[in-house]
Amino acid sequence: AQTVTQSQPEMSVQEAETVTLSCTYDTSENNYYLFWYKQPPSRQMILVIRQEAYKQQNATENRFSVNFQKAAKSFSLKISDSQLGDTAMYFCAFMKVQGGSEKLVFGKGTKLTVNP
Amino acid sequence: DTGVSQNPRHKITKRGQNVTFRCDPISEHNRLYWYRQTLGQGPEFLTYFQNEAQLEKSRLLSDRFSAERPKGSFSTLEIQRTEQGDSAMYLCASSFETGPYEQYFGPGTRLTVT
Repeated sequence: AQTVTQSQPEMSVQEAETVTLSCTYDTSENNYYLFWYKQPPSRQMILVIRQEAYKQQNATENRFSVNFQKAAKSFSLKISDSQLGDTAMYFCAFMKVQGGSEKLVFGKGTKLTVNP
Repeated sequence: DTGVSQNPRHKITKRGQNVTFRCDPISEHNRLYWYRQTLGQGPEFLTYFQNEAQLEKSRLLSDRFSAERPKGSFSTLEIQRTEQGDSAMYLCASSFETGPYEQYFGPGTRLTVT
């Protein structure tokens, strides 16, 4: 079974600064996706960024980028120019591509607070 | 289409009662997922539908839980004889059946069993 570990339960950053959230995963699969989801307080889960395992290039979405190290099974999220609206729980998630359910396996999350 | 919707948003029930939640996915999506999220944890997979067929169920889904998606559109999740341990946020998500398999989540139904 796949597992996802987020070792930082809480983090804080000053507005406009950069912060990196860590994620490691354990799998013997070769075909999978990795995701970062954001869950603002009392609001729904939003997809932040996606990475296909077969792609060597790290994904980037505006201020959000990942550092995907396949051999190390590491998938960190970097948020640049942090904004107050980035305050949320961030979940790292793994998805095995199996021609079936493609269900998500989540880590326990990192609570990020952006301070003014 | 404004995204995945779930009703009710909050449900308080007494132990032993039955509850039913509804999820309306994004209309073009033929895959629908249910997850459960307890305090301080990430969501955990419960079950999955492709169109109207329920193709996978987690071992977390005890016999008291049943889910349906009768016409391949909306889905319901019923919990019979609720227990305090069922208190959680129940999340619904939907996606296309082809890559990149991005799942879009609803706001969730928060269940409190007293």
